[in-house]
Formats: sequence, C-alpha cells, structure tokens
Amino acid sequence: AQSVTQPDIHITVSEGASLELRCNYSYGATPYLFWYVQSPGQGLQLLLKYFSGDTLVQGIKGFEAEFKRSQSSFNLRKPSVHWSDAAEYFCAVLTSGTYKYIFGTGTRLKVLA
Amino acid sequence: KAGVTQTPRYLIKTRGQQVTLSCSPISGHRSVSWYQQTPGQGLQFLFEYFSETQRNKGNFPGRFSGRQFSNSRSEMNVSTLELGDSALYLCASSPQGVGDEAFFGQGTRLTVV
Repeated sequence: AQSVTQPDIHITVSEGASLELRCNYSYGATPYLFWYVQSPGQGLQLLLKYFSGDTLVQGIKGFEAEFKRSQSSFNLRKPSVHWSDAAEYFCAVLTSGTYKYIFGTGTRLKVLA
Repeated sequence: KAGVTQTPRYLIKTRGQQVTLSCSPISGHRSVSWYQQTPGQGLQFLFEYFSETQRNKGNFPGRFSGRQFSNSRSEMNVSTLELGDSALYLCASSPQGVGDEAFFGQGTRLTVV
C-alpha cells in the first residue's frame, strides 16, 4: 500500500539556520509529490510540487525540494529559516487513478529567535 | 479569485446528532475532496467528487457521506455523531483532480460533546 513517512515529528532550528525536512514514500510508480504547510488554525498551503522532469523543484517562500528516486525521498530544504516559517509541514503523494492525497504525519517546525 | 470557502468554521454538536458541512470550491474547479484531520490520525482522505459523482472513498464508516451539486459545491454529512468525530474537516478543490494541485479551505472545526 502507498504510504508517506516523515520521520521527524518535531524539529527546532535557530532563525537563519538551514533546514531540511525528510520525506520518504512508498509507491510503485513515480508519484506526484507535494509539500504543504499549515499554520495554526489554517488550511494547507502548497509550497511546491513534483510531477516529472527536473528533480530539484523550487517553491514559494524560498523552499526547494529534491526528488531522489533511488531513495524514494522528497526532502524539503530552505537555506535560511525565518521566524515566520514556524508551522507544520506535510509531505503528500497523489496517487494516480485514485484522486486522493496520502499525507505524512507532519513535521512541526519551531524557530528560535 | 476567491479561494475555497468552508462553512461554518466552527461547530459544537452533541453525541448522536448529525451535522452537515459545506464547501464552495474555486470557480471552475470540478473536483472536491474532503479530509479529516486529527492529532492522532493525521490527515485522512474521506471522499472525492467530480461532476457530482463520487470517484473515490476512504475507509470511513457509512455515517460519513457526501454529495456534490451541479455548481461543484459540496457537502459532507456525518450522522449519529461520536466523540471521536471531533476533528478539523478540510475541503480541497482542483480543476480535474488528476495530477492537479489541490487548494485547501481553512476547514471546519467540529467538536462533539
């Protein structure tokens, strides 16, 4: 069965430090991959997506992610974190033919001033 | 362009009652999906509708149902509410649902007492 794993439940970084959030997926074919961010009490906002082509994708707010087929990973990165990046981040797979997202359990990011 | 609108934003219901939540998708979007978000289970897929037809359904009991109208607006209904139904219910819309980015509403926070 398809699944998405985000091994880090909580991550704390200092403002200005670099960030990497991990995501691994289990899916037979090449999936559509997404990263969403959720601020408290809000819905989900798309940061970036990967469908095909260049394996390094750029998103909003300075985020980028790299698709590595050999590792079944789609890690999210940001070179310098801002206090406003504190939120919960979700990796998701969209499985073709089923029209549904499978989400990871999320990583809650805390940013220290 | 207006985003996805979910109403109401907050609801408090008593066990055994039923509830109807509403979702108005982005204009032109024909696919509407519903997700339940809880601290314990994370984001779980409920169902997806496209042009008034349910295309996929998640693993939820029959108490959870939905429908979509000709204008793409969608409703979900939960009958015989249980305490465990307390959650944030998120609606997402996309143009076609296949390989599309989903745009999420802010959700309806349902509390069952």
